[in-house]
Amino acid sequence: QQPVQSPQAVILREGEDAVINCSSSKALYSVHWYRQKHGEAPVFLMILLKGGEQKGHEKISASFNEKKQQSSLYLTASQLSYSGTYFCGTEAPGDDKIIFGKGTRLHILP
Amino acid sequence: EAQVTQNPRYLITVTGKKLTVTCSQNMNHEYMSWYRQDPGLGLRQIYYSMNVEVTDKGDVPEGYKVSRKEKRNFPLILESPSPNQTSLYFCASSIRRGGYGYTFGSGTRLTVV
Repeated sequence: QQPVQSPQAVILREGEDAVINCSSSKALYSVHWYRQKHGEAPVFLMILLKGGEQKGHEKISASFNEKKQQSSLYLTASQLSYSGTYFCGTEAPGDDKIIFGKGTRLHILP
Repeated sequence: EAQVTQNPRYLITVTGKKLTVTCSQNMNHEYMSWYRQDPGLGLRQIYYSMNVEVTDKGDVPEGYKVSRKEKRNFPLILESPSPNQTSLYFCASSIRRGGYGYTFGSGTRLTVV
């Protein structure tokens, strides 16, 4: 039931783009995205609700394809501050919790 | 400042010695939850609470207890800690169940020897 994230890790140079994918085997009500820097708490980025919407936050945006039970996080023109581990969390209809994926480590080189 | 406060940040204890990790939020959130984070496993839910006096097991509840006597507080209790409970623990809260983002505490790194 844990969502599967891909890739597990990615290394980019500053200014390059990245896509992180999150896939679930269950029908979903929503998908959350969080970023965690080393030694810190996860920080909420955005939530996508059932309806296939795409949301944006500065140069970070995400889409949610509810039919495929997939979400993708897009980081454009990456900055050094984007480094960290990105987690997706999925909520199924009627569930009382979100389940997190294992995370994708993103490292941005200058 | 809206926040989730966990204490302590670091704790080293011995096997079998009861301990409590405190969690408090000042946002009047209904939903609170505890997670443990281990390398390669991501965040796994221990217990959650949808409101005062309502708690339920998550995915890895064995060896843990919680209580929710007040809306703002959600302590995690380890009655008899064992080395396999060595982990990084996070408390999180949300306005309510379903459709809202979580605010996480700063984490508690627990080592049981």
